[in-house]
Amino acid sequence: EAGVTQFPSHSVIEKGQTVTLRCDPISGHDNLYWYRRVMGKEIKFLLHFVKESKQDESGMPNNRFLAERTGGTYSTLKVQPAELEDSGVYFCASNPGGRSYEQYFGPGTRLTVT
Amino acid sequence: QQQVKQSPQSLIVQKGGISIINCAYENTAFDYFPWYQQFPGKGPALLIAIRPDVSEKKEGRFTISFNKSAKQFSLHIMDSQPGDSATYFCAASKAPDNFNKFYFGSGTKLNVKP
Repeated sequence: EAGVTQFPSHSVIEKGQTVTLRCDPISGHDNLYWYRRVMGKEIKFLLHFVKESKQDESGMPNNRFLAERTGGTYSTLKVQPAELEDSGVYFCASNPGGRSYEQYFGPGTRLTVT
Repeated sequence: QQQVKQSPQSLIVQKGGISIINCAYENTAFDYFPWYQQFPGKGPALLIAIRPDVSEKKEGRFTISFNKSAKQFSLHIMDSQPGDSATYFCAASKAPDNFNKFYFGSGTKLNVKP
């Protein structure tokens, strides 16, 4: 079974540009999470989808960030326009739902805004 | 406010020694305490996890000790090996039916010297 995949693995953009990150969760997993780790700090929650619906957006930094999950499958996270403080590693995780606690993480996308 | 605090930030241990990483949490509603292991260029992977109804869980060389009254838990790696060199994250979450986003510690970079 394929794990969580993320694309691209690394993105370098200039301040003010737009970047879109993609996450493909494990097939059949209803729950999809986005997290971010900035500058060696803790991994912080951004948002949570249940199927195609946003369940919790409390961690989204501001309205420059837009997440979507088309048809309850893959998800995209768009940053527009990017700022220097958006640099970090963006992780996606999925979970099958029900009584399962474990989250399965992707390899992350390292975003560098210059 | 960071809900899970992790220490130390980095740790150097000789091969065969014991590695100990500590975490403390605030929210008594947390119901699940996983430890994730991350190698460079990879995503975090579940290493071992504990629920608050037990005080200790052991899997091979890895043990979680849990102190509910002190709101602390720790990871012990016995007979540490160079292959254990990685970044370790503790985390906490509520039950799955409460949409279990993870709250992570800031990570511990472990270096096991041959």
